[in-house]
Amino acid sequence: GDSVTQMEGPVTLSEEAFLTINCTYTATGYPSLFWYVQYPGEGLQLLLKATKADDKGSNKGFEATYRKETTSFHLEKGSVQVSDSAVYFCALSDRNAGNNRKLIWGLGTSLAVNP
Amino acid sequence: KAGVTQTPRYLIKTRGQQVTLSCSPISGHRSVSWYQQTPGQGLQFLFEYFSETQRNKGNFPGRFSGRQFSNSRSEMNVSTLELGDSALYLCASSLAGAAYGYTFGSGTRLTVV
Repeated sequence: GDSVTQMEGPVTLSEEAFLTINCTYTATGYPSLFWYVQYPGEGLQLLLKATKADDKGSNKGFEATYRKETTSFHLEKGSVQVSDSAVYFCALSDRNAGNNRKLIWGLGTSLAVNP
Repeated sequence: KAGVTQTPRYLIKTRGQQVTLSCSPISGHRSVSWYQQTPGQGLQFLFEYFSETQRNKGNFPGRFSGRQFSNSRSEMNVSTLELGDSALYLCASSLAGAAYGYTFGSGTRLTVV
């Protein structure tokens, strides 16, 4: 079945460092790909998404490119801030039964940014 | 516009009891999905409701059930609670399904003792 694999955390960076969180997937067909972020004590928020190969999703300085050839959707940010400290989840839409009715999730990567 | 509202935020229940959690989606959103989040298993899909009909169901026992009302509000019920049901239960609201992107509520933290 479909699956998502994320790099394990925690990731600890200094403010203004470059961030990469790796995400690879296994899927039949052509799923949509997502990054969600969960701040402490809160629910998840959609950070960005891409619906087809070579699409680039971007938001709040974060970017990710849908790479079909490497089945990857790595999250990047050029200069992280303390406020980016959170858990980041990669996910794909499940095309089972012809409908994208649920997401398949990675286990999450915890990011801590120190001032 | 108002976000997704889940109530209550916290619950402590005893093994064997039952519990009902509530979710009010964003106005105009007809799809409501429920997820269980635990440190060990991550996010696990419970079920999705669309226009009062259950469209999809995850691999959870029959003790987990849900429903959706005509105003799109949804409830989930867990009967005969077990210690392993302790988790954060998240409601996700969407226009028409996961591929459109979810808006999540803050969750209900259920502790079973």
